Amino acid sequence: DTEVTQTPKHLVMGMTNKKSLKCEQHMGHRAMYWYKQKAKKPPELMFVYSYEKLSINESVPSRFSPECPNSSLLNLHLHALQPEDSALYLCASSQDPDPNTEAFFGQGTRLTVV
Amino acid sequence: AQKVTQAQTEISVVEKEDVTLDCVYETRDTTYYLFWYKQPPSGELVFLIRRNSFDEQNEISGRYSWNFQKSTSSFNFTITASQVVDSAVYFCALSDNFGNEKLTFGTGTRLTIIP
Repeated sequence: DTEVTQTPKHLVMGMTNKKSLKCEQHMGHRAMYWYKQKAKKPPELMFVYSYEKLSINESVPSRFSPECPNSSLLNLHLHALQPEDSALYLCASSQDPDPNTEAFFGQGTRLTVV
Repeated sequence: AQKVTQAQTEISVVEKEDVTLDCVYETRDTTYYLFWYKQPPSGELVFLIRRNSFDEQNEISGRYSWNFQKSTSSFNFTITASQVVDSAVYFCALSDNFGNEKLTFGTGTRLTIIP
């Protein structure tokens, strides 16, 4: 199994809603990542979890709250988002928290904030 | 600081033509890694290749080949006999010891193969 699975694939939410994005991998990878990608832009790193602990937060606003319940799961909790937060949210994992190893990406969640 | 430049924003070629995607990088480090990822319309980034800074051998994998030249800080990607399924956005990326667990991505090249 070399897949990173993300749910949901599409999400529309209001600015007062609370929702969660989910990511799952069963490759035994010890590093997991959240990226945000705006249209026609490269992915931007948001968070890195290393051995289930948050190791990098790229100054992401607190309305985005990551959680790593176990080594296979990564969540991104969303609350009080703004329309400019609409983007493709990509989850990725890698064997270890070393940027020199290749990352496996999910298909992403296309989020629209209305 | 690290930087990756993909000067070609969009390229269109007719099917079966060869196409080269350019990537130029900047880094202060002597040890670094370069990557190419493909992003088809479905959204996921697909890993294509990783090359470390000490290995300047060119690589060929089927219709894909990569030309790494440290002298010009370039890591170009060639698709031979292009196919419609090659249509995607291609990202070049860099990681180094100053990168703090981050990949630095280029802005991507959107490749369209015309049937």
